[in-house]
Amino acid sequence: KAGVTQTPRYLIKTRGQQVTLSCSPISGHRSVSWYQQTPGQGLQFLFEYFSETQRNKGNFPGRFSGRQFSNSRSEMNVSTLELGDSALYLCASSLNGGVSNEQFFGPGTRLTVL
Amino acid sequence: AQTVTQSQPEMSVQEAETVTLSCTYDTSESDYYLFWYKQPPSRQMILVIRQEAYKQQNATENRFSVNFQKAAKSFSLKISDSQLGDAAMYFCAYRSPNTGNQFYFGTGTSLTVIP
Repeated sequence: KAGVTQTPRYLIKTRGQQVTLSCSPISGHRSVSWYQQTPGQGLQFLFEYFSETQRNKGNFPGRFSGRQFSNSRSEMNVSTLELGDSALYLCASSLNGGVSNEQFFGPGTRLTVL
Repeated sequence: AQTVTQSQPEMSVQEAETVTLSCTYDTSESDYYLFWYKQPPSRQMILVIRQEAYKQQNATENRFSVNFQKAAKSFSLKISDSQLGDAAMYFCAYRSPNTGNQFYFGTGTSLTVIP
């Protein structure tokens, strides 16, 4: 069974631009969560999508948004990029997002904002 | 908000020896899960072990075991017979159905294995 895939793996943008990251979950998984990892703030929860609906959201500004498609693939978008948005963005998928479900992480997208 | 604290930013261990990584957490919930994840240089997060709070028995997965002290809110990871492939960043994490099922991660412990 294929694992969680994230594209692109690396991305360089400049301040003020916007970016879209993609996450394809494991086949059959309907929950996708996104996390931001930075040296200063560590791993922080962005949001979770289940059956095309945002079910939970972390404490990030409205510039961070996401969506999920009917095939469970998810995208996250960051508008008006700031230097502080430079980070590793991880997505994780699970069957239904329940706490007893194992979450499988993707390899991440490394975003650099110049 | 739930907090997870890892007080050891870096640890080292000789190959074949045993090392213990510490983690404490703060919660008022009674239903929760605790996890240890490994993040090697490839950056892929890999589940090492998990513990359900209602289970008193400590979880074990091959060379990895935990010491779960619920009253003390402590959750340490013991790695026995350390191998070079164990070198990685280790994150302690907490999840609860009453807090949206999201992970709350500690700041991580970087483990070096010395040949």
